[in-house]
Amino acid sequence: KAGVTQTPRYLIKTRGQQVTLSCSPISGHRSVSWYQQTPGQGLQFLFEYFSETQRNKGNFPGRFSGRQFSNSRSEMNVSTLELGDSALYLCASSLGGLSGSFPNEQYFGPGTRLTVT
Amino acid sequence: AQSVAQPEDQVKVAEGNPLTVKCTYSVSGNPYLFWYVQYPNRGLQFLLKYITGDNLVKGSYGFEAEFNKSQTSFHLKKPSALVSDSALYFCAVRDGNKLIFGTGTLLAVQP
Repeated sequence: KAGVTQTPRYLIKTRGQQVTLSCSPISGHRSVSWYQQTPGQGLQFLFEYFSETQRNKGNFPGRFSGRQFSNSRSEMNVSTLELGDSALYLCASSLGGLSGSFPNEQYFGPGTRLTVT
Repeated sequence: AQSVAQPEDQVKVAEGNPLTVKCTYSVSGNPYLFWYVQYPNRGLQFLLKYITGDNLVKGSYGFEAEFNKSQTSFHLKKPSALVSDSALYFCAVRDGNKLIFGTGTLLAVQP
């Protein structure tokens, strides 16, 4: 079974531009989560989607948004890029998500390395 | 709020020796705990999780973790370390529909 794929793997953008990152989950997985990884802040949760609905959102400004399509593929968008948005953006998928008495583990993609100059 | 702490930024062990990567947690309610490993320029790979039941959880690549409720710990262990185990290890706790990660421990296995 193919793993989580993310495109593009590397991206260089200029401050003020916007960017869209894509994530294809493992087949059959309906939950997709996004995390930001930086050396200073570590791994931080952005948002989680399940069946095209955002179920949870982290503490990020409104410039960060996402969506999920009917085939469970997900995109995240960052508008008006700032230098501090430079990070590794990780997508994770799981069967049904983490909630409930028997949470499903998340499987991560390789990430998109975003550099803002 | 749920949280985990990884008290060691780096752990060094010799190949063939047992390894332990430490994690302590703070939760309200039942703890749901996870271990992940990250190799350079890669995403995170799932190793194991504790939901309920046996305090010793077995996972991928020969790793296991011991859940200790009285010490609020969830240490990752392996009986015999390999050079290829050198990587960044993250402990995480479930908080609703998301994971809260520790700061990571860099494991260096020396030949």
